[in-house]
Amino acid sequence: QKEVEQNSGPLSVPEGAIASLNCTYSDRGSQSFFWYRQYSGKSPELIMSIYSNGDKEDGRFTAQLNKASQYVSLLIRDSQPSDSATYLCAVRSGAGSYQLTFGKGTKLSVIP
Amino acid sequence: EPEVTQTPSHQVTQMGQEVILRCVPISNHLYFYWYRQILGQKVEFLVSFYNNEISEKSEIFDDQFSVERPDGSNFTLKIRSTKLEDSAMYFCANRSRTSGGVYNEQFFGPGTRLTVL
Repeated sequence: QKEVEQNSGPLSVPEGAIASLNCTYSDRGSQSFFWYRQYSGKSPELIMSIYSNGDKEDGRFTAQLNKASQYVSLLIRDSQPSDSATYLCAVRSGAGSYQLTFGKGTKLSVIP
Repeated sequence: EPEVTQTPSHQVTQMGQEVILRCVPISNHLYFYWYRQILGQKVEFLVSFYNNEISEKSEIFDDQFSVERPDGSNFTLKIRSTKLEDSAMYFCANRSRTSGGVYNEQFFGPGTRLTVL
């Protein structure tokens, strides 16, 4: 059973701070990793994808992947109140499968 | 920027009835997925569809469910004889493929909220 685990939070950070969101996964053969943002009552919105070990930066977002530790994280710099949402970690296992396995998400609250 | 669209946004049905949820994918995005999210729970994979065939399906996707692309553009999920536990948000997602390789990224539609009474 492939599992993706996230701390459900809520994670509260002050405006302008760095928010750090973490995710672990059980399938060592996983190949692709995604962070989605989901506002309440809305659909998941893709914000980052990462496929190889290391860091990937896109604007205020940095995704970090460590396949040896089966760990992926998302850093949000200069957090804004509009970043308040639930962040979903999703993993594609590979081996010809493109289905995504999602974590339950971490709820982030950015306090003005 | 092209988007995935879904109709209806909200569907209310009686237990035992059939519902059809519709998705209009992004043009040239050839891979289609359905996911569901029960309130307060994880997003769960249901089925993937490519070239008019199911390519993967989960344990959730049993004989009660079917998918098709009836007119070459829309993509539908049919739920026969709905149950109370089918109440959830249903999301359609698209993935593109380019000549340089296969993109992994899936883009989600706004979802259909299904309420079974």
